[in-house]
Amino acid sequence: QKEVEQNSGPLSVPEGAIASLNCTYSDRGSQSFFWYRQYSGKSPELIMFIYSNGDKEDGRFTAQLNKASQYVSLLIRDSQPSDSATYLCALASESNYQLIWGAGTKLIIKP
Amino acid sequence: NAGVTQTPKFQVLKTGQSMTLQCAQDMNHNSMYWYRQDPGMGLRLIYYSASEGTTDKGEVPNGYNVSRLNKREFSLRLESAAPSQTSVYFCASSEQAGSEKLFFGSGTQLSVL
Repeated sequence: QKEVEQNSGPLSVPEGAIASLNCTYSDRGSQSFFWYRQYSGKSPELIMFIYSNGDKEDGRFTAQLNKASQYVSLLIRDSQPSDSATYLCALASESNYQLIWGAGTKLIIKP
Repeated sequence: NAGVTQTPKFQVLKTGQSMTLQCAQDMNHNSMYWYRQDPGMGLRLIYYSASEGTTDKGEVPNGYNVSRLNKREFSLRLESAAPSQTSVYFCASSEQAGSEKLFFGSGTQLSVL
């Protein structure tokens, strides 16, 4: 069983709609959770991080964490074609700061 | 501000050849990392350097060596390339080990024939 699971997609969402990306993990010791965006042929860039249960909002992006159910989500409101990319979920535990990465979900925003 | 500079961008090797991937950062970061990315798999850590003068193995270190030349530079060497090492390689840096924000280089597409 992979430590970090993401649906590979592609997830197709109409422009202007809400895109919902999900990530589940197996290590209950995980403390920190990150969402990176990776455009095709480019390197990953950090867009959100969350440490506590609940929601964290930054502009059109909202990260949601539920440690009891071991999942973290990323919501993108008012989706734009420029949001089309692969979204990588990553996490770190308190004892090991090496990030563990999911394989990513490819998101396509249709105009 | 260049950030993380990684060379070369593309490389084709024959099995058994050696090469060094170069990485330099100009952000005065303490920690540097080498990852590989393969289709359908997440980024996997090869080696990292938490601070100048230290290096440690990551998840997939076999077949690789690293050198933290100084605070700015962290190189990755393949002594005897194998087809299984065909991948995209990313160098990254962060202010300190455990920092949530990694800054990535543009990547190296390596093919081993």
